[in-house]
Amino acid sequence: EAQVTQNPRYLITVTGKKLTVTCSQNMNHEYMSWYRQDPGLGLRQIYYSMNVEVTDKGDVPEGYKVSRKEKRNFPLILESPSPNQTSLYFCASRTQPTGELFFGEGSRLTVL
Amino acid sequence: AQSVAQPEDQVNVAEGNPLTVKCTYSVSGNPYLFWYVQYPNRGLQFLLKYITGDNLVKGSYGFEAEFNKSQTSFHLKKPSALVSDSALYFCAVRPLDTGRRALTFGSGTRLQVQP
Repeated sequence: EAQVTQNPRYLITVTGKKLTVTCSQNMNHEYMSWYRQDPGLGLRQIYYSMNVEVTDKGDVPEGYKVSRKEKRNFPLILESPSPNQTSLYFCASRTQPTGELFFGEGSRLTVL
Repeated sequence: AQSVAQPEDQVNVAEGNPLTVKCTYSVSGNPYLFWYVQYPNRGLQFLLKYITGDNLVKGSYGFEAEFNKSQTSFHLKKPSALVSDSALYFCAVRPLDTGRRALTFGSGTRLQVQP
């Protein structure tokens, strides 16, 4: 089954404790992206990757890092989480430029 | 800069009645438009998209959307609503020809279909 898998789905952590949210897709998609969803703001892009070893900032990259060492994986790293990073995070992927995005199930992160 | 406006936070409709969820956009050049649906505790699911061609686009679950270039709108419609259509709906846009490839999403519209 074609899917985008995120882990963990739920996480409560404390300020400053580094964490990584993993994302993996099994569709051989070149393009992958991370979004955060906040009430009233819709989805805002954090980072994206056009292919292996190619990443770029989205609209709200501050406080986040990503890497793309393999085509299928695109982890999101919060080096020193802060409470304003409490949000619902989605990973997504697509193939050709006009293709639709396939989304993961989301990772709800709470930073205390 | 590209942007999307979904002017209604919530739309209420009775089951069996037609529904419309509104979306207007701003983008440089020709638009590439999407609708996505989000059910509780789930990721977004693709409903339909407009690239070029016929202004009326048909998608999943009986939904359709009408592209209106002069009004820069892409409203989502369904002739007869179902209770199971209750969900959060997002419109998204990016320029087709040039510029950044990321989608810009609207703030979402919650559709509530009453039995």
